[in-house]
Amino acid sequence: DTGVSQDPRHKITKRGQNVTFRCDPISEHNRLYWYRQTLGQGPEFLTYFQNEAQLEKSRLLSDRFSAERPKGSFSTLEIQRTEQGDSAMYLCASSRTSGRFDEQFFGPGTRLTVL
Amino acid sequence: AQTVTQSQPEMSVQEAETVTLSCTYDTSESNYYLFWYKQPPSRQMILVIRQEAYKQQNATENRFSVNFQKAAKSFSLKISDSQLGDTAMYFCAFISGPNDMRFGAGTRLTVKP
Repeated sequence: DTGVSQDPRHKITKRGQNVTFRCDPISEHNRLYWYRQTLGQGPEFLTYFQNEAQLEKSRLLSDRFSAERPKGSFSTLEIQRTEQGDSAMYLCASSRTSGRFDEQFFGPGTRLTVL
Repeated sequence: AQTVTQSQPEMSVQEAETVTLSCTYDTSESNYYLFWYKQPPSRQMILVIRQEAYKQQNATENRFSVNFQKAAKSFSLKISDSQLGDTAMYFCAFISGPNDMRFGAGTRLTVKP
């Protein structure tokens, strides 16, 4: 399978714990995006990378959130001191810069539940 | 601010019938792209169809077509000959740059046998 993969698919944690999610994009894709999707809503943009550079962060990304893409391949999203409001589906997407329009391919998501 | 509105939280259609999902958006940009994504239950989101704002011709992909009304900022999705596998959440999305894709709240479509 050469699509976008995410690990883990589900994570249950207690409030105050740290969690880390991983995203492996499609191999030739240079752009990688993180989104958050809460129940009954569409995905909301969090941040994106072009290669290893983090070019944009949404105001939704509080100081407790950090994302990295150290070698321009896989990416990690860490949430420190989790809160119940962090419970959501975290989606990763990747794309290849090809001009005016980049189709984003989405992974299956990581569902986070904070107890 | 760029916003995307889907006013139909849920819809249903009989198998083989046609259904139209509505989407409106608000932007001051002149060049942008619009998309419909499908998210089946417990499965990942996939692109159904896309429309570039500078193209007047409505996009079509097999049973899926759009009605793009730029002046009205409307972008509806028509699904013809609905199939059980079309049951999913459908999201309308808008983008005018690499990092600002905005999604609507979604429409849950159920195709009934």
